[in-house]
Amino acid sequence: GAGVSQSPSNKVTEKGKDVELRCDPISGHTALYWYRQSLGQGLEFLIYFQGNSAPDKSGLPSDRFSAERTGGSVSTLTIQRTQQEDSAVYLCASSLEATSGTSTDTQYFGPGTRLTVL
Amino acid sequence: LAKTTQPISMDSYEGQEVNITCSHNNIATNDYITWYQQFPSQGPRFIIQGYKTKVTNEVASLFIPADRKSSTLSLPRVSLSDTAVYYCLVGDTGSGGYNKLIFGAGTRLAVHP
Repeated sequence: GAGVSQSPSNKVTEKGKDVELRCDPISGHTALYWYRQSLGQGLEFLIYFQGNSAPDKSGLPSDRFSAERTGGSVSTLTIQRTQQEDSAVYLCASSLEATSGTSTDTQYFGPGTRLTVL
Repeated sequence: LAKTTQPISMDSYEGQEVNITCSHNNIATNDYITWYQQFPSQGPRFIIQGYKTKVTNEVASLFIPADRKSSTLSLPRVSLSDTAVYYCLVGDTGSGGYNKLIFGAGTRLAVHP
């Protein structure tokens, strides 16, 4: 079956512009996660959604970042007024069921969106 | 906040056994320990998960001592295709009942011919 897909695969933008990154999770997965990975670094957790519940957004690095998940499926991560330090690979993952946000459930990752802010 | 520590890098040769240890002193009581593998330009991929003692699957073994403050990923007879970054994942012990997921910094394994 289809895995997690993300679009676009690459995005180049100018400083100050807004960008939207899209994630399509595996069908039937109730939990969805966003991470950020800077070049040569580990993964930085940003936010997760569980079903239709309101997400905990406390992991987002600034108020320029926001995320939505419509209908419990597709998610969009929006970065407003992009800065050069936002340049990174943004990874999305989904899992069948999240148990209070623990690592119990296997996460399936998409290929990521490489964002470059000039 | 939970904190994990892994070696930054390791080198090995084809056919050898590789053991990568992750320290996680503040792991929560109900949390599992999960290891992921990441190749360049790809998202991480699940390898193995355990709670305590030993878990083995077709690709790796995971050893967890009784105090669960560390875990060791064991890769038997590595090949060149095992060259990747390996992450351990545990839950955070933050308050409010919500456990943020924290990846370790990752261990970059290089397998040589």
